[in-house]
Amino acid sequence: SQQGEEDPQALSIQEGENATMNCSYKTSINNLQWYRQNSGRGLVHLILIRSNEREKHSGRLRVTLDTSKKSSSLLITASRAADTASYFCATDAGFQKLVFGTGTRLLVSP
Amino acid sequence: DAGITQSPRYKITETGRQVTLMCHQTWSHSYMFWYRQDLGHGLRLIYYSAAADITDKGEVPDGYVVSRSKTENFPLTLESATRSQTSVYFCASSDGSLNTEAFFGQGTRLTVV
Repeated sequence: SQQGEEDPQALSIQEGENATMNCSYKTSINNLQWYRQNSGRGLVHLILIRSNEREKHSGRLRVTLDTSKKSSSLLITASRAADTASYFCATDAGFQKLVFGTGTRLLVSP
Repeated sequence: DAGITQSPRYKITETGRQVTLMCHQTWSHSYMFWYRQDLGHGLRLIYYSAAADITDKGEVPDGYVVSRSKTENFPLTLESATRSQTSVYFCASSDGSLNTEAFFGQGTRLTVV
């Protein structure tokens, strides 16, 4: 399988805490993307980091990318109950085809 | 409405039947994709299309057929449904430019009994 791995599989935190999810992948990439999926819904794009970038910020999101280790992390700061969802990393190795990780289920309790 | 829509949202079919899942996008995106989502596997690419009349296999194409006669539509057909094809199917599109995001439909939950 070409799929990447995400760690942890599940994460439970309190509102206001930070959440960190990690992603490992297997091939050379053009970019790495993070998506959120609320229960029973489609995926929503959160942030994209290019292969020549090491860190990117968007609001409460911070993404890092280490191409030498083929890994990325997503940090959500000051989590809210509305952040409860599954989070997926996806790598684009060419032709727009995304290879997804297995996902992290995040539960943020009030 | 603008966006990407899938139909039906839910479908139950019997083993051996043919079923077609529909996907329609209003952005004129060149690329369209079909993924399936199963527990423990995340999303896996079934087929994709770079433009009308251009399609290619993804990671798990067996048992599926696609066509793309118009840019905005990308139907996925299960020619003879099997229980292993019970899954949630997502259609997505992108504009084809480098380093761009994909937009996903709401998904079709298919159950093969």
